[in-house]
Amino acid sequence: EVQLVESGGGLVQPGGSLRLSCAASGFTFSSYSMNWVRQAPGKGLEWVSYISSSSSTIYYADSVKGRFTISRDNAKNSLYLQMNSLRAEDTAVYYCATVAGDVWGQGTTVTVSS
Amino acid sequence: IQLTQSPSSLSASVGDRVTITCRASQGISSYLAWYQQKPGKAPKLLIYAASTLQSGVPSRFSGSGSGTDFTLTISSLQPEDFATYYCQQLNSYPRTFGQGTKVEIK
Repeated sequence: EVQLVESGGGLVQPGGSLRLSCAASGFTFSSYSMNWVRQAPGKGLEWVSYISSSSSTIYYADSVKGRFTISRDNAKNSLYLQMNSLRAEDTAVYYCATVAGDVWGQGTTVTVSS
Repeated sequence: IQLTQSPSSLSASVGDRVTITCRASQGISSYLAWYQQKPGKAPKLLIYAASTLQSGVPSRFSGSGSGTDFTLTISSLQPEDFATYYCQQLNSYPRTFGQGTKVEIK
Protein backbone atom coordinates (compact mmCIF):
# COMPACT_ATOMS: atom_id res chain seq x y z
CA GLU A 1 0.00 0.00 0.00
CA VAL A 2 1.28 3.43 -0.93
CA GLN A 3 1.55 5.41 2.28
CA LEU A 4 3.04 8.50 3.92
CA VAL A 5 3.05 8.75 7.70
CA GLU A 6 4.02 11.97 9.47
CA SER A 7 5.25 12.20 13.05
CA GLY A 8 6.99 14.63 15.37
CA GLY A 9 4.28 17.19 15.94
CA GLY A 10 3.41 18.54 19.36
CA LEU A 11 3.18 21.57 21.63
CA VAL A 12 6.17 23.90 21.62
CA GLN A 13 6.80 27.36 23.06
CA PRO A 14 7.38 30.35 20.79
CA GLY A 15 11.01 30.42 19.71
CA GLY A 16 11.34 26.67 20.09
CA SER A 17 12.15 23.92 17.61
CA LEU A 18 10.57 20.75 16.28
CA ARG A 19 11.58 18.17 13.70
CA LEU A 20 8.86 16.56 11.66
CA SER A 21 9.35 13.24 9.92
CA CYS A 22 7.48 11.60 7.06
CA ALA A 23 7.93 7.87 6.47
CA ALA A 24 7.18 6.60 2.98
CA SER A 25 6.24 3.07 1.99
CA GLY A 26 4.76 1.21 -0.96
CA PHE A 27 6.53 3.22 -3.65
CA THR A 28 10.06 4.11 -4.78
CA PHE A 29 10.51 7.14 -2.52
CA SER A 30 13.92 8.01 -3.95
CA SER A 31 12.36 8.73 -7.35
CA TYR A 32 9.86 11.29 -6.09
CA SER A 33 10.15 14.97 -5.30
CA MET A 34 8.23 15.91 -2.17
CA ASN A 35 6.40 18.83 -0.60
CA TRP A 36 5.41 19.90 2.88
CA VAL A 37 2.01 21.63 3.06
CA ARG A 38 0.35 23.05 6.15
CA GLN A 39 -3.13 24.09 7.23
CA ALA A 40 -3.75 26.46 10.12
CA PRO A 41 -6.88 25.82 12.18
CA GLY A 42 -9.97 26.73 10.15
CA LYS A 43 -7.85 28.04 7.27
CA GLY A 44 -6.86 26.92 3.79
CA LEU A 45 -3.88 24.99 2.50
CA GLU A 46 -0.45 26.63 2.41
CA TRP A 47 2.54 25.16 0.54
CA VAL A 48 5.62 25.24 2.80
CA SER A 49 8.61 23.59 1.12
CA TYR A 50 9.82 21.43 -1.77
CA ILE A 51 12.74 19.04 -2.18
CA SER A 52 13.73 17.22 -5.35
CA SER A 53 14.33 13.48 -5.43
CA SER A 54 18.10 13.89 -5.11
CA SER A 55 17.90 16.87 -2.71
CA SER A 56 19.62 19.02 -5.33
CA THR A 57 16.79 21.55 -5.51
CA ILE A 58 15.00 23.03 -2.50
CA TYR A 59 12.41 25.80 -2.22
CA TYR A 60 10.70 27.46 0.74
CA ALA A 61 7.70 29.70 1.22
CA ASP A 62 8.71 33.22 2.22
CA SER A 63 6.85 32.72 5.52
CA VAL A 64 9.31 30.02 6.65
CA LYS A 65 12.50 30.87 4.77
CA GLY A 66 15.51 31.03 7.09
CA ARG A 67 13.67 29.20 9.89
CA PHE A 68 12.68 25.84 8.36
CA THR A 69 14.94 23.28 6.68
CA ILE A 70 13.69 20.45 4.50
CA SER A 71 15.78 17.32 4.01
CA ARG A 72 15.41 13.67 3.08
CA ASP A 73 17.15 10.34 3.55
CA ASN A 74 16.36 8.11 0.58
CA ALA A 75 18.05 5.13 2.24
CA LYS A 76 15.53 5.42 5.07
CA ASN A 77 12.58 6.38 2.83
CA SER A 78 12.10 9.45 4.97
CA LEU A 79 11.42 13.16 4.57
CA TYR A 80 12.08 15.73 7.29
CA LEU A 81 11.21 19.29 8.22
CA GLN A 82 13.37 20.99 10.84
CA MET A 83 11.45 23.92 12.24
CA ASN A 84 13.31 26.55 14.29
CA SER A 85 12.32 29.90 15.77
CA LEU A 86 8.70 28.80 15.81
CA ARG A 87 5.94 31.40 15.98
CA ALA A 88 2.29 31.25 16.92
CA GLU A 89 1.40 31.59 13.24
CA ASP A 90 3.20 28.31 12.50
CA THR A 91 0.45 26.48 14.39
CA ALA A 92 -1.05 24.09 11.85
CA VAL A 93 -1.49 20.55 10.66
CA TYR A 94 1.58 19.69 8.58
CA TYR A 95 1.23 17.28 5.66
CA CYS A 96 3.89 15.66 3.53
CA ALA A 97 2.84 14.91 -0.04
CA THR A 98 4.26 13.88 -3.38
CA VAL A 99 4.75 16.80 -5.75
CA ALA A 100 2.08 15.37 -8.04
CA GLY A 101 -0.34 15.60 -5.12
CA ASP A 102 -1.55 12.04 -5.49
CA VAL A 103 -0.21 10.78 -2.16
CA TRP A 104 -0.62 12.63 1.15
CA GLY A 105 0.07 11.70 4.73
CA GLN A 106 -2.54 11.99 7.45
CA GLY A 107 -0.90 15.07 8.92
CA THR A 108 0.80 15.92 12.21
CA THR A 109 -0.30 18.80 14.41
CA VAL A 110 2.09 21.51 15.53
CA THR A 111 0.93 23.95 18.20
CA VAL A 112 3.10 26.92 19.10
CA SER A 113 1.94 28.43 22.35
CA SER A 114 3.24 29.50 25.74
CA ILE B 1 1.14 33.43 -8.76
CA GLN B 2 -2.13 34.14 -6.94
CA LEU B 3 -5.18 31.91 -7.35
CA THR B 4 -8.65 33.27 -6.70
CA GLN B 5 -11.48 30.80 -6.28
CA SER B 6 -15.16 31.67 -6.53
CA PRO B 7 -17.45 31.35 -4.83
CA SER B 8 -15.94 30.99 -1.35
CA SER B 9 -18.92 28.89 -0.37
CA LEU B 10 -22.11 27.60 -1.89
CA SER B 11 -25.21 25.73 -0.84
CA ALA B 12 -26.54 23.07 -3.15
CA SER B 13 -28.85 20.09 -3.16
CA VAL B 14 -28.16 16.47 -4.03
CA GLY B 15 -28.40 16.13 -7.80
CA ASP B 16 -27.46 19.74 -8.53
CA ARG B 17 -24.79 20.71 -11.05
CA VAL B 18 -22.04 22.65 -9.27
CA THR B 19 -19.34 24.81 -10.84
CA ILE B 20 -16.33 26.28 -9.06
CA THR B 21 -13.92 28.64 -10.77
CA CYS B 22 -10.24 29.34 -10.19
CA ARG B 23 -8.50 32.33 -11.73
CA ALA B 24 -4.71 32.67 -11.85
CA SER B 25 -2.96 36.03 -11.66
CA GLN B 26 -0.83 35.03 -14.65
CA GLY B 27 -0.92 32.31 -17.25
CA ILE B 28 -0.14 28.81 -16.02
CA SER B 29 -0.95 26.82 -19.16
CA SER B 30 -2.70 23.66 -17.89
CA TYR B 31 -0.63 23.29 -14.75
CA LEU B 32 -3.56 23.17 -12.34
CA ALA B 33 -4.88 20.59 -9.92
CA TRP B 34 -8.10 20.32 -7.96
CA TYR B 35 -8.42 18.74 -4.51
CA GLN B 36 -11.31 17.75 -2.26
CA GLN B 37 -10.88 17.96 1.50
CA LYS B 38 -13.24 16.72 4.18
CA PRO B 39 -12.97 17.81 7.84
CA GLY B 40 -10.05 16.24 9.64
CA LYS B 41 -8.76 14.54 6.51
CA ALA B 42 -5.91 15.12 4.08
CA PRO B 43 -6.71 16.61 0.69
CA LYS B 44 -7.59 14.18 -2.08
CA LEU B 45 -6.47 14.77 -5.66
CA LEU B 46 -9.40 14.93 -8.08
CA ILE B 47 -8.07 16.50 -11.26
CA TYR B 48 -4.57 17.22 -12.56
CA ALA B 49 -3.30 18.94 -15.69
CA ALA B 50 -6.50 21.01 -15.51
CA SER B 51 -8.75 18.33 -17.00
CA THR B 52 -7.34 14.85 -16.32
CA LEU B 53 -9.35 12.80 -13.87
CA GLN B 54 -7.26 11.10 -11.19
CA SER B 55 -7.64 7.32 -11.11
CA GLY B 56 -10.58 6.21 -8.99
CA VAL B 57 -12.33 9.59 -8.99
CA PRO B 58 -15.98 9.43 -10.12
CA SER B 59 -16.71 10.68 -13.63
CA ARG B 60 -19.19 13.26 -12.31
CA PHE B 61 -16.12 15.38 -11.56
CA SER B 62 -14.59 17.23 -14.50
CA GLY B 63 -12.14 20.05 -15.01
CA SER B 64 -11.55 22.50 -17.82
CA GLY B 65 -9.59 25.60 -18.70
CA SER B 66 -6.11 26.78 -19.51
CA GLY B 67 -4.08 29.92 -19.17
CA THR B 68 -5.69 31.88 -16.35
CA ASP B 69 -9.27 30.59 -16.06
CA PHE B 70 -10.23 27.15 -14.81
CA THR B 71 -13.39 25.35 -13.77
CA LEU B 72 -14.24 22.34 -11.63
CA THR B 73 -17.68 20.90 -12.34
CA ILE B 74 -19.63 18.30 -10.40
CA SER B 75 -22.36 17.16 -12.77
CA SER B 76 -24.73 15.70 -10.17
CA LEU B 77 -23.86 16.43 -6.56
CA GLN B 78 -23.83 13.40 -4.27
CA PRO B 79 -24.01 13.34 -0.45
CA GLU B 80 -20.33 12.40 -0.20
CA ASP B 81 -19.32 15.46 -2.26
CA PHE B 82 -20.06 17.96 0.50
CA ALA B 83 -16.56 19.18 1.29
CA THR B 84 -14.11 21.99 0.62
CA TYR B 85 -12.43 22.18 -2.78
CA TYR B 86 -9.06 23.75 -3.55
CA CYS B 87 -7.22 24.53 -6.75
CA GLN B 88 -3.40 24.55 -6.85
CA GLN B 89 -1.09 25.81 -9.54
CA LEU B 90 1.73 23.49 -10.55
CA ASN B 91 3.45 25.91 -12.90
CA SER B 92 6.06 27.34 -10.56
CA TYR B 93 7.19 27.69 -6.94
CA PRO B 94 5.75 28.75 -4.57
CA ARG B 95 3.00 26.24 -5.36
CA THR B 96 0.05 28.39 -4.35
CA PHE B 97 -3.44 27.18 -3.52
CA GLY B 98 -6.73 28.92 -3.97
CA GLN B 99 -8.51 29.96 -0.77
CA GLY B 100 -11.00 27.11 -1.04
CA THR B 101 -14.69 26.69 -1.83
CA LYS B 102 -16.91 25.08 0.78
CA VAL B 103 -19.81 23.12 -0.68
CA GLU B 104 -22.63 22.81 1.85
CA ILE B 105 -25.98 21.10 1.89
CA LYS B 106 -28.97 23.30 1.04
